[in-house]
Formats: sequence, C-alpha cells, structure tokens
Amino acid sequence: GQQLNQSPQSMFIQEGEDVSMNCTSSSIFNTWLWYKQEPGEGPVLLIALYKAGELTSNGRLTAQFGITRKDSFLNISASIPSDVGIYFCAGQTSGGSNYKLTFGKGTLLTVNP
Amino acid sequence: EPEVTQTPSHQVTQMGQEVILRCVPISNHLYFYWYRQILGQKVEFLVSFYNNEISEKSEIFDDQFSVERPDGSNFTLKIRSTKLEDSAMYFCASSELGQITEAFFGQGTRLTVV
Repeated sequence: GQQLNQSPQSMFIQEGEDVSMNCTSSSIFNTWLWYKQEPGEGPVLLIALYKAGELTSNGRLTAQFGITRKDSFLNISASIPSDVGIYFCAGQTSGGSNYKLTFGKGTLLTVNP
Repeated sequence: EPEVTQTPSHQVTQMGQEVILRCVPISNHLYFYWYRQILGQKVEFLVSFYNNEISEKSEIFDDQFSVERPDGSNFTLKIRSTKLEDSAMYFCASSELGQITEAFFGQGTRLTVV
C-alpha cells in the first residue's frame, strides 16, 4: 500500500523557535492534510491542501503541497508550549478512496518553555 | 462545538474475549469511519460505513471485526475474539458528506488485550 515517510520522528525545541517537518511519498497524492494529536485526544485537522503548489497558512502554521504531489511540509513559527503534540501528515492518493487516508507515523514535538 | 464522542476511553480485555467500542458521531453526519493506531505506529484505516452498510474496508478488517449502527446515534465496532495484536488506540470519525478529509475524529478508545 501507499507509504508516507514523515520526518523528523521527534523534535525537542525551545519556545520561540521555528519548526519544520515534512512528508514524502513515492505515490502521487491528491490531497495532503496535517493533523495534531494531543495526549488523550484524537487527531485534529490543522490544514488541508488540495492543489499542487498550494501554500496555506493557519495562524502560525504554514503548509505547502509539493509541486510533484509527492510531498508536503508543515512549518510552525515562533513555537509556544501548547504546540506540544504529535503532528501527522495524511493524504489521499490519486484515484483512491474518498474514505481512506494514508497517515505518516507522526512527528512528536516537545517545546521547552 | 459538536464533537465525536467515544466510550470507554480505555478498555482492558482478556485475549479471546469480545469487545464493543462505542462512538456517538456528530448528529447530522451520515458517514462513519473507524481507524486504529497501534502504539508507535501510524494511524490506519479500518472501515467506512454509510446508509447502514460498509462502504469500504481494509485488509485489517477481517471476519473478527464488525460494525453496526444499532440506533440513531451510536456507531459501534465489535471485535469478536480479541488477540494481543488488537491492542491499539481505536478512533471513530464522522463526516457530513462522504469525504474523509472533512471528517472529525473522536478522542479514541485505548484497547489493551492481555
């Protein structure tokens, strides 16, 4: 099946620093999504990207859908302690199901105040 | 804000026992999903459900699994005879239209099979 390679696996940063994480795939994706999961909670959608090259912001978060449709990145600027959590990329493949998302393994972000 | 609610938050069960995980989707949503996440692994699709029938299922969703919408508000996942490898976080999700990209996820049920 499709695989999403998400990196880095974990990050430990100081409050105020910027953060970048990315996902790559050997398959073409029609949609890229970025979720955040906090302890004891389900994944919450942060940003959805629907078009190759699209760059979308949501507050301090910025995500881009790669031109090749095989990658995406998420940037967090000026991190704060509440940014702590696991960030997942997910996507829908070209010609794939409307119901099925392929997820990356996640990036665990720790922010030191 | 409407949310997907799952119960229990944590279930411990003996191998071979049946478990039922419960979900209350958002009230006007028509499409329902189960995903699971084995500890340290990625979130994986199990099944989607619409109009009282399964729309799609993954290879993980074998004969040990079943889903049901027993009434107008609940959506359940049953595992008939649990195995150790069924231990995982199970997430329910729902969407108004049949597009997982617009779904909301519940907080999950952690299933531990001992």
